[in-house]
Amino acid sequence: QVQLKESGPGLVAPSQSLSITCTISGFSLTSYGVHWVRQPPGKGLEWLVVIWSDGSTTYNSALKSRLSISKDNSKSQVFLKMNSLQTDDTAMYYCARHGYGYYAMDYWGQGTSVTVSS
Amino acid sequence: DIQMNQSPSSLSASLGDTITITCHASQNINVWLSWYQQKPGNIPKLLIYKASNLHTGVPSRFSGSGSGTGFTLTISSLQPEDIATYYCQQGQSYPWTFGGGTKLEIK
Repeated sequence: QVQLKESGPGLVAPSQSLSITCTISGFSLTSYGVHWVRQPPGKGLEWLVVIWSDGSTTYNSALKSRLSISKDNSKSQVFLKMNSLQTDDTAMYYCARHGYGYYAMDYWGQGTSVTVSS
Repeated sequence: DIQMNQSPSSLSASLGDTITITCHASQNINVWLSWYQQKPGNIPKLLIYKASNLHTGVPSRFSGSGSGTGFTLTISSLQPEDIATYYCQQGQSYPWTFGGGTKLEIK
């Protein structure tokens, strides 16, 4: 079955960088795109970026200068890096599969919680 | 960016009721509108894509309609397991954007 699982550091100091990994199974990164979405505690959803099956990327322009996405198809992993974290970057970070023909995200990981604090 | 305005922000209804949530886009998004359900402490799950298509495994009491700028999510015969926050999301153009959410509670 389709599964996505995020892993991250949990706690990041202000101004430092964040690296999160999404490990997928049940589908191939050579066939599907993977999105990243975040959700601050008690708040709504914010779309961040997508990496497509061919490796091309589409970023949220509001965060593009601080975000970087990449992947390793052979390891079934997608990597998100965010620089210069501030307290308002505290959130649950989700990876989600792109549903082709859906223009939606059809399967989501469990999320990894990131707290920005000294 | 396309703004998605969702209403109401919260809703209280009785078991067995039919409820409707609306989502308005700031510009034409054709039918590229999805609905997600997020139960307390859980992940978002896709309910409806392309305005009116039920995702795999979603009960038929959920339905969606609309096109252009106005969309609705209807839940018929409300069940206890429907307690959740519901979000709309436009897929017309990047960045994808979400509505602010509708928190559904049972009376």
